[in-house]
Amino acid sequence: QKEVEQNSGPLSVPEGAIASLNCTYSDRGSQSFFWYRQYSGKSPELIMFIYSNGDKEDGRFTAQLNKASQYVSLLIRDSQPSDSATYLCAVGVNEKLTFGTGTRLTIIP
Amino acid sequence: GAVVSQHPSRVICKSGTSVKIECRSLDFQATTMFWYRQFPKQSLMLMATSNEGSKATYEQGVEKDKFLINHASLTLSTLTVTSAHPEDSSFYICSARQGSGNQPQHFGDGTRLSIL
Repeated sequence: QKEVEQNSGPLSVPEGAIASLNCTYSDRGSQSFFWYRQYSGKSPELIMFIYSNGDKEDGRFTAQLNKASQYVSLLIRDSQPSDSATYLCAVGVNEKLTFGTGTRLTIIP
Repeated sequence: GAVVSQHPSRVICKSGTSVKIECRSLDFQATTMFWYRQFPKQSLMLMATSNEGSKATYEQGVEKDKFLINHASLTLSTLTVTSAHPEDSSFYICSARQGSGNQPQHFGDGTRLSIL
């Protein structure tokens, strides 16, 4: 069983709609949860981080964490073509991050 | 804030060459720096964790004699790929973290290494 799982996609969403990205993790001791965006050929860029159960909003982005279900998600509202990228879920355990394989998101104009 | 600079961005060299990659935190002091490797269409794989002034901690399967890491200051870590071979060709990315383990890691721009 992979430690951090994401649907690889591709996920296609019309411009202006809400994109929903999901991630599950296996280690119940996980303490910190991050979403990174990675454009092709580039390094990851931090989008959101969340530590506690519930929702955290930052502009068009909302991160949701449910530790009981070992589930973290990222919602992108009013999706823009510039949001097209691979989104990496990363989970922090014992000072280290474990990354999922990423979900490729395509915003259709 | 939280800018991490990584150089060089691209290296093409012959097999047997040693390659040095620098990672600098420009506007913060990084208590810990990390080195990752990413192969095409795969996720980031942690190679090693580096704390200033101490020896790096390598992940299982990563050869410490081949991937030399030096973390000389709170703003600089280097990775040297010694006697590189074609199978070492990959995208190497460093990250830096300020403070405790729950703080976000901030990534450099990466180094694309191609060994001929």
